[in-house]
Amino acid sequence: AQKITQTQPGMFVQEKEAVTLDCTYDTSDPSYGLFWYKQPSSGEMIFLIYQGSYDQQNATEGRYSLNFQKARKSANLVISASQLGDSAMYFCAMREGRDAGGTSYGKLTFGQGTILTVHP
Amino acid sequence: EAQVTQNPRYLITVTGKKLTVTCSQNMNHEYMSWYRQDPGLGLRQIYYSMNVEVTDKGDVPEGYKVSRKEKRNFPLILESPSPNQTSLYFCASRIIYLNTEAFFGQGTRLTVV
Repeated sequence: AQKITQTQPGMFVQEKEAVTLDCTYDTSDPSYGLFWYKQPSSGEMIFLIYQGSYDQQNATEGRYSLNFQKARKSANLVISASQLGDSAMYFCAMREGRDAGGTSYGKLTFGQGTILTVHP
Repeated sequence: EAQVTQNPRYLITVTGKKLTVTCSQNMNHEYMSWYRQDPGLGLRQIYYSMNVEVTDKGDVPEGYKVSRKEKRNFPLILESPSPNQTSLYFCASRIIYLNTEAFFGQGTRLTVV
């Protein structure tokens, strides 16, 4: 079964509007982390935002926020006030598990990605 | 500047000709890993290393080798590349705690003909 699912292969948004990119995950581990990365056409992977499974509040970083719904196992990325430079591929990823000392041995498991296009 | 450096950025090679993609990080991170990115599949882990001389297979290790002789370097070796290894490759590093992001290299676009 897919651990991370991004059901939107492509999304379009008008400049200055908000957009939500969907991500659902599957894990039985109570301790996990969720990440969003941006990949512009130049190819590099840019870290955007992180949400821990025990975090009580939704993560926010500037124009990025993470709509974390633990019971539904979803971690949607919300981009407010879209800009032309937001056009890129966006990946949701999850890392599971850690030991009592806080060390995480888990790999990042990625979704398939969503291509976001911002129209002027 | 904190960074992960991969070389080369682009490589076209022929089937069977051994190649190495280098990866170096300057952040003293314990954990390093290699991913390949293919359309519709996202990024999949090839190999990872939790410290010097400690390496293990990821999800798609077939056809690849790695080594970790120094903390900063984690080269990816293709002993006999095949066309199905044509892909975009990323090296990443991080400290070993759950709430830290992975830092990625710029990527290496490999084409095997």
